Amino acid sequence: NAGVTQTPKFQVLKTGQSMTLQCAQDMNHNSMYWYRQDPGMGLRLIYYSASEGTTDKGEVPNGYNVSRLNKREFSLRLESAAPSQTSVYFCASSDVQGATNEKLFFGSGTQLSVL
Amino acid sequence: QKEVEQDPGPLSVPEGAIVSLNCTYSNSAFQYFMWYRQYSRKGPELLMYTYSSGNKEDGRFTAQVDKSSKYISLFIRDSQPSDSATYLCAMSWNSGGYQKVTFGIGTKLQVIP
Repeated sequence: NAGVTQTPKFQVLKTGQSMTLQCAQDMNHNSMYWYRQDPGMGLRLIYYSASEGTTDKGEVPNGYNVSRLNKREFSLRLESAAPSQTSVYFCASSDVQGATNEKLFFGSGTQLSVL
Repeated sequence: QKEVEQDPGPLSVPEGAIVSLNCTYSNSAFQYFMWYRQYSRKGPELLMYTYSSGNKEDGRFTAQVDKSSKYISLFIRDSQPSDSATYLCAMSWNSGGYQKVTFGIGTKLQVIP
């Protein structure tokens, strides 16, 4: 069972460079999410997609864009990377948006460093 | 004040000890309470989930919720070295038809053989 797959696992960027983080899930989940995890800050929601064709901002969306390519895939793009975007990024999915029990399934993360 | 407060630790215990992990929260709208376990360089995985006040048991793990005190706990009995991980509490509530989830910063636990 692959679950939620993220690529790449590690990335180093220079300030101003762009890149796209890829995420795919094989659980036929409707909702997908991008989080970042920083020491002392916990997991913070960047963007989410409640269903195919929709995306919405989370808690910390500035500097990011997303694309819900199809039901399986949800990508996160950094157009002009900044050192403040150095973090570990997690993609997650869940079964039913707005359900009474939002159980999240996470990928293994992408460790991003912006120099 | 953060909505969810969690001591980051680290917490070191000998193998076989009972571990108590805790979170406090300030948002009375929180409805669902979860504990996620995160191993080093891995994504969080859901460990326990509960809705109401009281206890929920699953093997060596017990989740406890006290809504009146806005306090949740996770107890691990007979702790094992394989329990060494970071434990994140998480709480959710329904806002505009969408379940919003807020995470604690996590408590790092080390179980020493």
